Amino acid sequence: AQSVTQLGSHVSVSEGALVLLRCNYSSSVPPYLFWYVQYPNQGLQLLLKYTSAATLVKGINGFEAEFKKSETSFHLTKPSAHMSDAAEYFCAVSFYGGSQGNLIFGKGTKLSVKP
Amino acid sequence: GAGVSQSPRYKVTKRGQDVALRCDPISGHVSLYWYRQALGQGPEFLTYFNYEAQQDKSGLPNDRFSAERPEGSISTLTIQRTEQRDSAMYRCASSPGMGTQYFGPGTRLLVL
Repeated sequence: AQSVTQLGSHVSVSEGALVLLRCNYSSSVPPYLFWYVQYPNQGLQLLLKYTSAATLVKGINGFEAEFKKSETSFHLTKPSAHMSDAAEYFCAVSFYGGSQGNLIFGKGTKLSVKP
Repeated sequence: GAGVSQSPRYKVTKRGQDVALRCDPISGHVSLYWYRQALGQGPEFLTYFNYEAQQDKSGLPNDRFSAERPEGSISTLTIQRTEQRDSAMYRCASSPGMGTQYFGPGTRLLVL
């Protein structure tokens, strides 16, 4: 069965420091991978997605993620954290290949940014 | 509208009552998805539609849950005889097809 694991339910970084949020997936077929961000009282917003093109994917707000098939990982990074990055981040996987495109989400990682 | 809208945003109901949650997708989007998110968890798939056809309802937890999208646009998720364990955030998303899903703000349901 397909699954997504996000290591660390809470991550705290200082403003200006590197952000690294970890995501590993389990899949028997090539996946499509996504990172979503959720700000308080708002819906999930797509940060970036991997759909079998370039393995290094750039998203909005300076975030990027690299698909590593050998490690079954899709970690999210940002070189320098900003206070406005404080939110909850969800990694998700989808398996197109037919008509089903529902997303399987990880449990999320809450990012705190200290001044 | 510009994005996916859901109503109501908050719903408090008593155990045993029926509730109907509405999702208005982005205009022209073919696919519509329902997810449920418990506190401290990621969203979990419930069901989805292509146009008016329900393609997959394998995530609906039991037969008290049902969904419809009669005209291929607005969708309603109905929970009959609500129970306290149904309390959660219910999220709707739409997509133009096999593409990115755009999420609405969600409906927070509290069953007393």
